[in-house]
Amino acid sequence: DGGITQSPKYLFRKEGQNVTLSCEQNLNHDAMYWYRQDPGQGLRLIYYSQIVNDFQKGDIAEGYSVSREKKESFPLTVTSAQKNPTAFYLCASSPINQPQHFGDGTRLSIL
Amino acid sequence: AQSVTQLDSQVPVFEEAPVELRCNYSSSVSVYLFWYVQYPNQGLQLLLKYLSGSTLVKGINGFEAEFNKSQTSFHLRKPSVHISDTAEYFCAVSLMEYGNKLVFGAGTILRVKS
Repeated sequence: DGGITQSPKYLFRKEGQNVTLSCEQNLNHDAMYWYRQDPGQGLRLIYYSQIVNDFQKGDIAEGYSVSREKKESFPLTVTSAQKNPTAFYLCASSPINQPQHFGDGTRLSIL
Repeated sequence: AQSVTQLDSQVPVFEEAPVELRCNYSSSVSVYLFWYVQYPNQGLQLLLKYLSGSTLVKGINGFEAEFNKSQTSFHLRKPSVHISDTAEYFCAVSLMEYGNKLVFGAGTILRVKS
């Protein structure tokens, strides 16, 4: 079955640590996206990539970093510079100019 | 800048009653419009989309939405809801000129009561 796999489902971070969230897709989609979801705020775009080895900042990129070395993978690193990282993180992918498909998310909490 | 306003944060409704979830957007250029549904602790699932053509769009699970350009609205409707429709619903717009980068509303929680 084709789809988007996010791992882990739950992740805990200590103060001052970087953590990396995994997103893998086998849909052969060109574009991939990372969103942050907070209660009552909808989804906000962190980073997106429309092609391998290229990505753009979204609306809330500060404190985050990404890489796109392979078409099927788009990992997100939450750095220690992100002062309020507790949230639900959603990865999505799509063909260019087509609706996005979403993974099941990773919930990040601070210890 | 583009924005999406979902006018109700929560909508309680009895089973088998009709429901309308409201969505208004602002944009100076043409847009694509979407409704997504999210069940607890899951990702988003596409309900329906408006790209062009007929302004009445039918989606999955018996939902439909009507694009009204003059009122910049894209309200979601269902004539008879079920308990299983309890979820959070998100309206989103995508700017044609920027591919499908999505801007989301804050979401509406639909609570269906028996």
